[in-house]
Amino acid sequence: KAGVTQTPRYLIKTRGQQVTLSCSPISGHRSVSWYQQTPGQGLQFLFEYFSETQRNKGNFPGRFSGRQFSNSRSEMNVSTLELGDSALYLCASSLTTGTRVADTQYFGPGTRLTVL
Amino acid sequence: QKEVEQNSGPLSVPEGAIASLNCTYSDRGSQSFFWYRQYSGKSPELIMSIYSNGDKEDGRFTAQLNKASQYVSLLIRDSQPSDSATYLCAVNIPSFDTGFQKLVFGTGTRLLVSP
Repeated sequence: KAGVTQTPRYLIKTRGQQVTLSCSPISGHRSVSWYQQTPGQGLQFLFEYFSETQRNKGNFPGRFSGRQFSNSRSEMNVSTLELGDSALYLCASSLTTGTRVADTQYFGPGTRLTVL
Repeated sequence: QKEVEQNSGPLSVPEGAIASLNCTYSDRGSQSFFWYRQYSGKSPELIMSIYSNGDKEDGRFTAQLNKASQYVSLLIRDSQPSDSATYLCAVNIPSFDTGFQKLVFGTGTRLLVSP
């Protein structure tokens, strides 16, 4: 089975721009979670989508948004980029059955975003 | 208090020794616990999951869970230089506003295994 894929792998943007990142989960996985990883803060949860619905959201400003499509692929968008948004953005998928328990998550390779 | 806490290290052990990595968590309602390994510049990869009190062994890795003490650990036997990485503890934490659980990660412990 193919793993989680993320595109693009690297991005360089300038302050004030917006960016869209894409994630394709493992086939059959319906839950997709997004994380931001920085050296100072570690892995921070952004949000989780299941069946095109956002089920959970972390403590990030409204500039960070996401969506999920009917084929479970997900995108996240960051508007009005700030220098502090430079980070590794990770997507993870899980074979949740729709219950409320967080299942094992499998990570994609990540997108390295640099904001200049 | 942080939801999931780990010692950032680095934890240095010689090749062949046992490495012991520890993690504590704050929410007694947590039911699922995971250990991930992350090499520099790479994404986290799952090592083990544990759901019940006690030990769970998989090759050179043993996960230990003590829900009463809110403590989970990972032992790596016969440590190899290739085990040098950051080890992330992850715990599912109920979200009070949505009712759904989310996975919360510790900041990780850096392990260095010297030849």
